[in-house]
Amino acid sequence: GQQVMQIPQYQHVQEGEDFTTYCNSSTTLSNIQWYKQRPGGHPVFLIQLVKSGEVKKQKRLTFQFGEAKKNSSLHITATQTTDVGTYFCAGPHAGNMLTFGGGTRLMVKP
Amino acid sequence: DGGITQSPKYLFRKEGQNVTLSCEQNLNHDAMYWYRQDPGQGLRLIYYSQIVNDFQKGDIAEGYSVSREKKESFPLTVTSAQKNPTAFYLCASRTHPGDSNQPQHFGDGTRLSIL
Repeated sequence: GQQVMQIPQYQHVQEGEDFTTYCNSSTTLSNIQWYKQRPGGHPVFLIQLVKSGEVKKQKRLTFQFGEAKKNSSLHITATQTTDVGTYFCAGPHAGNMLTFGGGTRLMVKP
Repeated sequence: DGGITQSPKYLFRKEGQNVTLSCEQNLNHDAMYWYRQDPGQGLRLIYYSQIVNDFQKGDIAEGYSVSREKKESFPLTVTSAQKNPTAFYLCASRTHPGDSNQPQHFGDGTRLSIL
């Protein structure tokens, strides 16, 4: 079945450093979604990418969708303590479901 | 305010006991989902429902059961057959089940522990 892998599993950064998480799917995706889960909270939808090679920005966050639509990345510039949490990518599966990656947990040292 | 309400926030289960987790949404969404999240792990799909009176098993359905008698409600029962139920349970919904471009909206979750 479809698998979605994320690396790294954990990342510690000093506040102000950049951070990147990578997402790879075993199958071509029609779109990819990114979610953020704060510690103790629930996943919250951040963004969706649909087109091959698409790049979208939200303030300090930059999302990319690979040309082959099998991988994606999330890059945070100059991390802040408010960026702490786990970032998940998710790809559609069988039309009705989402397959989530294992997530990358970001910890930021002030 | 529209949203998804899960209750209770914390739940304790005794050995051999069935417990039911509630999930209610007022977003008028057709599709609803139940996920299990273990500490430091991703989300695994337990059950999902695209329409009232219909539901399908996800990747880890064994030891769980659901019902979808109303559009707004999708309760999950953790049965005594689930030997390792301690986890964080998340309910989610989506407006159109067949439209993969729609995001999922999550409730605040229920933390279940064994006594």
